[in-house]
Amino acid sequence: GIQVEQSPPDLILQEGANSTLRCNFSDSVNNLQWFHQNPWGQLINLFYIPSGTKQNGRLSATTVATERYSLLYISSSQTTDSGVYFCAVESSGNFNKFYFGSGTKLNVKP
Amino acid sequence: DAGITQSPRHKVTETGTPVTLRCHQTENHRYMYWYRQDPGHGLRLIHYSYGVKDTDKGEVSDGYSVSRSKTEDFLLTLESATSSQTSVYFCATYREANTGELFFGEGSRLTVL
Repeated sequence: GIQVEQSPPDLILQEGANSTLRCNFSDSVNNLQWFHQNPWGQLINLFYIPSGTKQNGRLSATTVATERYSLLYISSSQTTDSGVYFCAVESSGNFNKFYFGSGTKLNVKP
Repeated sequence: DAGITQSPRHKVTETGTPVTLRCHQTENHRYMYWYRQDPGHGLRLIHYSYGVKDTDKGEVSDGYSVSRSKTEDFLLTLESATSSQTSVYFCATYREANTGELFFGEGSRLTVL
């Protein structure tokens, strides 16, 4: 199946700092999504972004499908941003099967 | 929110016993998934379903079986639980229309002693 790699694996930020999380994938994709898993384990869908750029408040995401990567930007981080961020992809050759990266664990300190 | 409920939310069992986890959805989504989450591995796909009685294997299907007799229910069964199946299990559904989003249940924590 498609390989999904996320970096960095761990990230510690001071509140107010900005960060960029990266997701690389090994094949062309139909669908790419970013998720946030909060400290209680709940998985929340942040973006559906198979290509292009989207913004939602302090978060934005960009996917460059031709170069097989996606970036998640967090600006002016808050302690509530802490948790694990996952990207999930659906490869073009394997419809409706979603594969996850290992995640980036973010800790925002007050 | 896709109205996904998982049961049980927590279970402790002994090696060799059968275990069934249930996922129930209220949105009539065609696709349903079972994932397991372990430290360092993210979420790994166990099995998925693309309709009633239509299922297929994922990355880590050995030791697991699934059934889907109704659109709203997707069952994951461990026929004979092993300690390596201690994990948090997530059910998900896929909204095909519009944004093509995955929605997750709250997870079921299984401990096999």
